[in-house]
Amino acid sequence: QKEVEQDPGPLSVPEGAIVSLNCTYSNSAFQYFMWYRQYSRKGPELLMYTYSSGNKEDGRFTAQVDKSSKYISLFIRDSQPSDSATYLCAMTSGTGFQKLVFGTGTRLLVSP
Amino acid sequence: GAGVSQSPSNKVTEKGKDVELRCDPISGHTALYWYRQSLGQGLEFLIYFQGNSAPDKSGLPSDRFSAERTGGSVSTLTIQRTQQEDSAVYLCASSLAGHQPQHFGDGTRLSIL
Repeated sequence: QKEVEQDPGPLSVPEGAIVSLNCTYSNSAFQYFMWYRQYSRKGPELLMYTYSSGNKEDGRFTAQVDKSSKYISLFIRDSQPSDSATYLCAMTSGTGFQKLVFGTGTRLLVSP
Repeated sequence: GAGVSQSPSNKVTEKGKDVELRCDPISGHTALYWYRQSLGQGLEFLIYFQGNSAPDKSGLPSDRFSAERTGGSVSTLTIQRTQQEDSAVYLCASSLAGHQPQHFGDGTRLSIL
């Protein structure tokens, strides 16, 4: 079993929909959580960076962390066709060296 | 305001040849990372440099892979005697310090014929 599980999708939604992307993990030592967006043939772009449990909001994006359930989510409000990309969750224990452990990514398609 | 720069963006080579991939991190970032992204797979950690400390090489898949970082800035990932399974996108990232968010370049797409 992988340390981080993420549904590969694709997830297809109409423009304007609320999108929910999720990851589960098994390592209880993880305490820093990130969401990256990756367009085709581009590197991952950091969207959200959160520490421990709770919510963090940035514009149309909200990140949620539930450490008790080992479950993290990214919500996208008023989704746009330009949001079509692969979304990668990543996490680390935050102790010493910062090796990120990534999910395999969820491909999101937002249709006009 | 340049981001992480990687070169070449694409590399096609024959099996058995050596390749060098270059990463120029964001100015002032002390930490530098190499990852590999294979089709349908997540990012796989390869190696980490932090300042003048000895690099963490625990993710390198074989002794054909090596990396160096000169002057605390530019890094080169070298793959010797390339194999077809080395075909992947090699991504470099940098961060201000080991606990800060990592920022990625666009990668080098390596194809081994």
